[in-house]
Amino acid sequence: QVTLKESGPALVKPTQTLTLTCTFSGFSLSTRGMRVSWIRQPPGKALEWLARIDWDDDKFYSTSLKTRLTISRDTSKNQVVLTMTNMDPVDTATYYCARMRPGYYDSSGYYAPYDFDYWGQGTLVTVSS
Amino acid sequence: SYVLTQPPSVSVAPGQTARITCGGNNIGSKSVHWYQQKPGQAPVLVVYDDSDRPSGIPERFSGSNSGNPATLTISRVEAGDEADYYCQVWDSSSDHVVFGGGTKLTVL
Repeated sequence: QVTLKESGPALVKPTQTLTLTCTFSGFSLSTRGMRVSWIRQPPGKALEWLARIDWDDDKFYSTSLKTRLTISRDTSKNQVVLTMTNMDPVDTATYYCARMRPGYYDSSGYYAPYDFDYWGQGTLVTVSS
Repeated sequence: SYVLTQPPSVSVAPGQTARITCGGNNIGSKSVHWYQQKPGQAPVLVVYDDSDRPSGIPERFSGSNSGNPATLTISRVEAGDEADYYCQVWDSSSDHVVFGGGTKLTVL
């Protein structure tokens, strides 16, 4: 059974650094094809992809936020950590971690899906002084 | 950057068919995924790879992507289908995941 759960502060002050942890179970991020992303959603607005980390420790970031984001993993703890620097009130949002459907081999070769089959419940982060 | 365009809202009477569109440049060449999000809940995948359904998703949910736009079709709509729906693709040129702006489905 795959589960993911986000944890971190509910309130941060402007200019502070946010650190969020995604603790997951039911799969290993060391297994080929596994990938975990962070996605956020401001209140009443659309989903926005932030970052992704892969089984081989490859990392990918949203171009618009790249300079502020760092994603990392602790495979022994089954955790993925996201840090976001220089927080601003516009960063107020629910932050989700989600697993991408694992890649697999078929008759055509290796296929890497890019949909999210499991999501955490989300954690609301408010940026305010 | 790649942009996905969805109508802000769609309304449909119970028992009727709802169609939610998702437009993007050359979207027919991409795999489109759809999520349902009810208030206060995380998104749930309802269609992946244009037209496949995860286990547990009713057959009433179907998808197509034979050109612009891609479409999520919900047949025999029920009150419980009222939610926000998001389309999503992967933009290979930037290696970015892209979400549409979301469509609020209202069941009249």
